[in-house]
Amino acid sequence: DAGVIQSPRHEVTEMGQEVTLRCKPISGHNSLFWYRQTMMRGLELLIYFNNNVPIDDSGMPEDRFSAKMPNASFSTLKIQPSEPRDSAVYFCASRPASGSRETQYFGPGTRLLVL
Amino acid sequence: GESVGLHLPTLSVQEGDNSIINCAYSNSASDYFIWYKQESGKGPQFIIDIRSNMDKRQGQRVTVLLNKTVKHLSLQIAATQPGDSAVYFCAAGGGADGLTFGKGTHLIIQP
Repeated sequence: DAGVIQSPRHEVTEMGQEVTLRCKPISGHNSLFWYRQTMMRGLELLIYFNNNVPIDDSGMPEDRFSAKMPNASFSTLKIQPSEPRDSAVYFCASRPASGSRETQYFGPGTRLLVL
Repeated sequence: GESVGLHLPTLSVQEGDNSIINCAYSNSASDYFIWYKQESGKGPQFIIDIRSNMDKRQGQRVTVLLNKTVKHLSLQIAATQPGDSAVYFCAAGGGADGLTFGKGTHLIIQP
């Protein structure tokens, strides 16, 4: 099993630019989560999907952030326009359809730096 | 809502010693708890979990203890090795809200 796949692994961009982060969950998993990690705030849940449907987006910081899951094997997190305070590591995690319902498996993360 | 906190941001232990990492949670309705390990440059990895109907669970060299009375859980690592150096997160959850993560304890293994 390849695990959760995220791309790019690193992204450096300038303030005002659009940033798109990508995630491929583990095959067969039916829930997908986007997190942001910073030193100050730790791991924060941004949004999660069940069966490709957004369930809770209350963690999305503001309208500059949007997430989509067009199918069971792909999700994007978009920031437009980006700001320096968006600099963080963004993790995607997926959860299996069976077994422990809360066990989440994390990808390697995308390290974003907005200048 | 749930808040989860760890008692110490950094813990330093000698190689071979046992280590204990502590965590407190606020929501008495939480019924599922997980410990994750995060190595530098990687995503969090699942270590061990425990449900609220248990007070102890053991894995390979790791033990999780849950005290629901004081809303406290701990992770014990026996005979620590250099590869145990990482940041350890506890997370609490239950119901539709998913997991709430603590900020993490950085475990440093001294040779």
